[in-house]
Amino acid sequence: DGGITQSPKYLFRKEGQNVTLSCEQNLNHDAMYWYRQDPGQGLRLIYYSQIVNDFQKGDIAEGYSVSREKKESFPLTVTSAQKNPTAFYLCASSIWGAGYGYTFGSGTRLTVV
Amino acid sequence: AQKVTQAQTEISVVEKEDVTLDCVYETRDTTYYLFWYKQPPSGELVFLIRRNSFDEQNEISGRYSWNFQKSTSSFNFTITASQVVDSAVYFCALSEIGGTSYGKLTFGQGTILTVHP
Repeated sequence: DGGITQSPKYLFRKEGQNVTLSCEQNLNHDAMYWYRQDPGQGLRLIYYSQIVNDFQKGDIAEGYSVSREKKESFPLTVTSAQKNPTAFYLCASSIWGAGYGYTFGSGTRLTVV
Repeated sequence: AQKVTQAQTEISVVEKEDVTLDCVYETRDTTYYLFWYKQPPSGELVFLIRRNSFDEQNEISGRYSWNFQKSTSSFNFTITASQVVDSAVYFCALSEIGGTSYGKLTFGQGTILTVHP
């Protein structure tokens, strides 16, 4: 079955450490996205990528970095510069263009301890 | 700029009640797409429906129905005879053709629906 796999489901990080969240898709989608979800704030776009080796900042990119070396993979690194990293992170993919819905992964809950 | 507003933060109903989730959007485009997603406690957003701006026909799928009205820029979602399994966060989203929003979905804040037995 095609889909998106995010790992791990739960992640704990000490303050000052970088951590990388994995996102893999086998849907042959060109576009991939990372969202952050906080209570009462909906989904906020962190980064997105239309195609391999290219990505763009979203609305809240500060403190995050991404790479897109393969079509299937779009890992997100939460750096120590992110001041409030505790959140639920969702990865999605789609055909690039207007009107295409997203397929979402099951998310990673990151907690800074 | 595009915007999606879901004014109802939380709704609580008793099983078998009907419930309507409101969604109001803003866009300058004449061609756009609207979506509803469901996020159950497991966390993954599940696609429910897509509607383009030229199709104002209401849609019914089982207990779910959607009312799209361009005149009021609204795309409301009704669950008839709600069930406990309908408890989730529901998101409305907008996809535009033009400008910097191309290829991206703009989501509303989400409405938390709790259906009590």
